[in-house]
Amino acid sequence: DAGVIQSPRHEVTEMGQEVTLRCKPISGHDYLFWYRQTMMRGLELLIYFNNNVPIDDSGMPEDRFSAKMPNASFSTLKIQPSEPRDSAVYFCASRRSGGGWSPLHFGNGTRLTVT
Amino acid sequence: AQTVTQSQPEMSVQEAETVTLSCTYDTSESDYYLFWYKQPPSRQMILVIRQEAYKQQNATENRFSVNFQKAAKSFSLKISDSQLGDAAMYFCAYRSSNYGGSQGNLIFGKGTKLSVKP
Repeated sequence: DAGVIQSPRHEVTEMGQEVTLRCKPISGHDYLFWYRQTMMRGLELLIYFNNNVPIDDSGMPEDRFSAKMPNASFSTLKIQPSEPRDSAVYFCASRRSGGGWSPLHFGNGTRLTVT
Repeated sequence: AQTVTQSQPEMSVQEAETVTLSCTYDTSESDYYLFWYKQPPSRQMILVIRQEAYKQQNATENRFSVNFQKAAKSFSLKISDSQLGDAAMYFCAYRSSNYGGSQGNLIFGKGTKLSVKP
């Protein structure tokens, strides 16, 4: 079990640039989540998918953020254009269905810095 | 909406001693799940322990145990025989058991930073 794989681990970009974060969930997991972590706001859910379908995107801050899950083994979170206030650690997490007992497995996160 | 509160931003414990981290939550639901996650400096989120609300027995995992008080909506984490490797941020989290749109989401507290002194 390789765990949830996120790339890149670090991303530094200039304001206005497009940023794409990538995630490969654990095989067999049908829920995928994107979280953002900042000192001020803690861990916030941005969006989550079930069977590749977005279920709740109410946490996506604004239209500059978009997420896709084209298949069961890949998801992207895109920010276009990026702004300094988007600087944070972005986590992808996955779990299998079958009840709330199933824990979330997190990737190692992507630290995004927008200058 | 459910909320999770961790009232201790920072805690400190001597190596080999016991420490308790507090967590309270607010919900109108009767069935749900509670979790503690650990985040060391490597920033990986690691599941420490979990509890089902309908189970009265407190969960234990080796040196980690919880004190689950459903009526008080309290879910504290006790770490016994603290080790240097326990130093980390600890997050309490809540998940609804409803099989609806919110069923997947974990709601996190703001975290408690635990330091372990040698």
